[in-house]
Amino acid sequence: EPEVTQTPSHQVTQMGQEVILRCVPISNHLYFYWYRQILGQKVEFLVSFYNNEISEKSEIFDDQFSVERPDGSNFTLKIRSTKLEDSAMYFCASSASPSDIQYFGAGTRLSVL
Amino acid sequence: QKEVEQNSGPLSVPEGAIASLNCTYSDRGSQSFFWYRQYSGKSPELIMFIYSNGDKEDGRFTAQLNKASQYVSLLIRDSQPSDSATYLCAVITSGTYKYIFGTGTRLKVLA
Repeated sequence: EPEVTQTPSHQVTQMGQEVILRCVPISNHLYFYWYRQILGQKVEFLVSFYNNEISEKSEIFDDQFSVERPDGSNFTLKIRSTKLEDSAMYFCASSASPSDIQYFGAGTRLSVL
Repeated sequence: QKEVEQNSGPLSVPEGAIASLNCTYSDRGSQSFFWYRQYSGKSPELIMFIYSNGDKEDGRFTAQLNKASQYVSLLIRDSQPSDSATYLCAVITSGTYKYIFGTGTRLKVLA
């Protein structure tokens, strides 16, 4: 069964460092998303991406964040200068159409020290 | 601010009983509704989706949608200890294609 793949599963970084979280969406999906979940809190939307551009972003997704689809398969989330409060699980999701089911990857746990 | 509300629980039910999980949403124009299950430290896993008013059944799970009351529920029949998890309600509201999640309801099925 097709699945969304995320790497790494756990990333530890020092405050102020740049991190790149990687995702391989389901191959025939066209809509891609990043969400995050701080420990013990709800899943929050960060950004959606379609046709090589951001279609929507939340207030959380400030200038420190960027997304990119560098090739035909990968979808990345970059955090330029990590803060302690960026520590969370980051989930990538993809869907075939914008109002369709979103399938989630296993997540990357980001720990900022 | 478009909101999705769930009781955080925990909701404890004995094995074999029916578990009833509820979710309300604030945006009357919402069109798509999803229930996900999330085990601790894991990613959300789709259980059910529903787009139209009424009931939708899939095995032991039934999703119920009442757009007039802005209410969606999930019933789990013959609850098993393996159903113990947090159940997330997700809504796609009008004018957007992102999910808005509720805080989730923690379900504990007691053997």
